[in-house]
This record gives sequence, structure tokens and C-alpha cells, in this order.
Amino acid sequence: AQSVAQPEDQVNVAEGNPLTVKCTYSVSGNPYLFWYVQYPNRGLQFLLKYITGDNLVKGSYGFEAEFNKSQTSFHLKKPSALVSDSALYFCAVRNTGGFKTIFGAGTRLFVKA
Amino acid sequence: DSGVTQTPKHLITATGQRVTLRCSPRSGDLSVYWYQQSLDQGLQFLIQYYNGEERAKGNILERFSAQQFPDLHSELNLSSLELGDSALYFCASSVDRDYGYTFGSGTRLTVV
Repeated sequence: AQSVAQPEDQVNVAEGNPLTVKCTYSVSGNPYLFWYVQYPNRGLQFLLKYITGDNLVKGSYGFEAEFNKSQTSFHLKKPSALVSDSALYFCAVRNTGGFKTIFGAGTRLFVKA
Repeated sequence: DSGVTQTPKHLITATGQRVTLRCSPRSGDLSVYWYQQSLDQGLQFLIQYYNGEERAKGNILERFSAQQFPDLHSELNLSSLELGDSALYFCASSVDRDYGYTFGSGTRLTVV
């Protein structure tokens, strides 16, 4: 069975500082990994995905994520946080050949001005 | 506007009742997914359809059912509603499973 863990309920960072939101996964076979962001009273928005290729994936709004197979991790990063980045972030995983995408519990990012 | 339309946006109903949630996917997307989001359970996968056929089932209760119609819109039917069914129900669509999903704004269901 596949699963995804986001070990931090909340991440606090000052504006202008780098941010990291952590994600680890468990899946049989090769993983397909995704990050989404949810703003208040809105649906989730797709940020980026990893399917194959370069371990560093670039996505929307300046976000990037690094796939680490040995650590089964897919951490979301941004070099310089903005107050407007404050939102709920979800990591998601699907195994190769599967149809179910499983979402983590979410990490609330709070960027302080 | 994401291109995925969900109606209604809000729904308040009594226990034991039946409701239907509707989703129109983004133009060109063949896959539709339903998720339930609640405070204690997070985002739970319910069911997926691809071009009218059921492709995957998650933690969907027997009281719940869904279908995707020939015009690709989908409906999620919830019956014998219980207080615990109160949640935000999201529909998402994608071209296929390798692409990111486009989510609708959700239907907030309150069972009283």
C-alpha cells in the first residue's frame, strides 16, 4: 500500500528566508510525486510533479522539490519565502501503474513579514 | 476559475437524507476524481472515473456512489447521511493520471 507522511503540521519562516516543507513516501515500485497548495476556501492547486528524470523539479511560483530515492523523500523548497506563500501544502504520491493518488495530511506554512 | 465546476457550493441537510454533488471537469480532461476533506481525516480519496468507467476506488462508503456521464460530468451521491459525513467534497480532473490534477472549489456539506 502507498502512503505519504508530512511530519510537520506547521512550518514558520520569516519573509525572505528559504523554506522547506518535508514529505516522505512509501510506495511499491517507482513513485509519482506531486505537491499542491491550498489557499483558504479554495480548492487545491497543482505546484509540481516528479515522474522521472532530474531529481530537482521546478514548479509554479518559484517552488522546487528534490526527489531523494534513498531517503524516500520529496521535500518542497523555495529560496526566498513571501508572505503570500502562507497556505496549506499537500504532498501526494501514486505508484507506477496505479490509479490512486494519496495525499498527505498537509503542512501549514506561515510566512511572517 | 480553475475550469472545474462544482455545484452546489454549500449544502445543509438533515441526517438520513440523500444529496447529489455535481462536477463538470475541465474541458478536455477525461479523468474525474472525488476527494473528501475533513479536519480529522485530511484529504481522502473516494473514487476515480476515466471516460465513463470506474478506474479506482478508495475509502468510499457503501452509502456513497458516483458515476461519470457521457458528457464527462460526474455526480457523487451520498445517502443515509450522518453527522460524520459533514465535510468538504472536492472534485478534480486531469487529462490522464500522469498529469497534475485541477481541483474545483469544493462543495461544503453540513449534515445537521
